[in-house]
Amino acid sequence: GDSVTQMEGPVTLSEEAFLTINCTYTATGYPSLFWYVQYPGEGLQLLLKATKADDKGSNKGFEATYRKETTSFHLEKGSVQVSDSAVYFCALEGRGSYIPTFGRGTSLIVHP
Amino acid sequence: DTAVSQTPKYLVTQMGNDKSIKCEQNLGHDTMYWYKQDSKKFLKIMFSYNNKELIINETVPNRFSPKSPDKAHLNLHINSLELGDSAVYFCASSPGGREQFFGPGTRLTVL
Repeated sequence: GDSVTQMEGPVTLSEEAFLTINCTYTATGYPSLFWYVQYPGEGLQLLLKATKADDKGSNKGFEATYRKETTSFHLEKGSVQVSDSAVYFCALEGRGSYIPTFGRGTSLIVHP
Repeated sequence: DTAVSQTPKYLVTQMGNDKSIKCEQNLGHDTMYWYKQDSKKFLKIMFSYNNKELIINETVPNRFSPKSPDKAHLNLHINSLELGDSAVYFCASSPGGREQFFGPGTRLTVL
């Protein structure tokens, strides 16, 4: 079955540091890939997505590129802020599937 | 206007009780979901439901049952609550094959 593997957290950074959160996946066919963010006390919200190989999703300074050859969708940001402190989830959904698969989430803590 | 709403936001109850959590979406989506998030933030899909098909995660105890009075609502009913049911429960909706829209969550505490 489909699976998503994320790096374990927490990831602790100082403000303005570079962020990478690794995500790799296993799936049949060509799934759509997503990053969701969950701020404390809230539900998940979509951060960015990519629907085919070599697509780059971007939003709020975050980026991730759909790499089919390495089955990866790593999340990056050049300069993190304290307000980016949250839990980040990588996810996939197969074409024609109504069942998404989520990674275990990676907690990011950004210090001033 | 809230796209996906849940009530209540907090639910504290005794073991053995029966409770329901309500969910409504105003996005016109065909598919709705229930998720359980544990204390380590692990997200587990419990049900996927559209007006044609209910897909149940086989690991979910049959004490849990989704009830959909119409396309915009998917309520979660839980019988004989146990301590291990304590978690945050999220409702979500999706137009299918695209992103999920999550509600704010219901924190259930079983004493």
